[in-house]
Amino acid sequence: EAAVTQSPRSKVAVTGGKVTLSCHQTNNHDYMYWYRQDTGHGLRLIHYSYVADSTEKGDIPDGYKASRPSQENFSLILELASLSQTAVYFCASWDNQNTLYFGAGTRLSVL
Amino acid sequence: GDSVTQTEGLVTLTKGLPVMLNCTYQTTYSPFLFWYVQHLNEAPKLLLKSSTDNKRTEHQGFYATLHKSSSSFHLQKSSVQLSDSALYFCALSSQGGRALIFGTGTTVSVSP
Repeated sequence: EAAVTQSPRSKVAVTGGKVTLSCHQTNNHDYMYWYRQDTGHGLRLIHYSYVADSTEKGDIPDGYKASRPSQENFSLILELASLSQTAVYFCASWDNQNTLYFGAGTRLSVL
Repeated sequence: GDSVTQTEGLVTLTKGLPVMLNCTYQTTYSPFLFWYVQHLNEAPKLLLKSSTDNKRTEHQGFYATLHKSSSSFHLQKSSVQLSDSALYFCALSSQGGRALIFGTGTTVSVSP
């Protein structure tokens, strides 16, 4: 089965600080995604990428940057973390069978 | 724009009873619909998917039929188990794209 690994699994950050969430996949998938999960909002797309060195904005990109330095790695960057960015973040990759594979998630608390 | 609506936030029921979770969608393109299940403190996982109109698709005792005429893809199971307690998401992919749009999710809680 497809493997998507996220780090860290949990993070406590201070308001205004910089946070980097990392994602690594070993499945040779071209497409990778960052979603955030909030109670009552389901999963919302932040950024995605379909090729190394290129990223695209999703539905809620404000306050987030993304980086895809290689096919295997996709990072989400919060340059100035805010309280409203407290959430669970999921990375995912997409195979050619129309299946999205999620990582285990990162629980981010901004204080 | 594209959207997915799940009307129930929480469904509580007793083991052995049937369940149906509603999912409707809106898109002007050819739809591909998905159901994902997320157990507590775990990642969402694909439960089933379909892009074929009026064809029932099944997996792990759950089933759903895509009805393009009513823009619906309801999830059903004839007899729920305690292990079915989880958060269920309906999702839509359209325009041949690979970015899924998720509904807000329905929590299913099964009691003995």
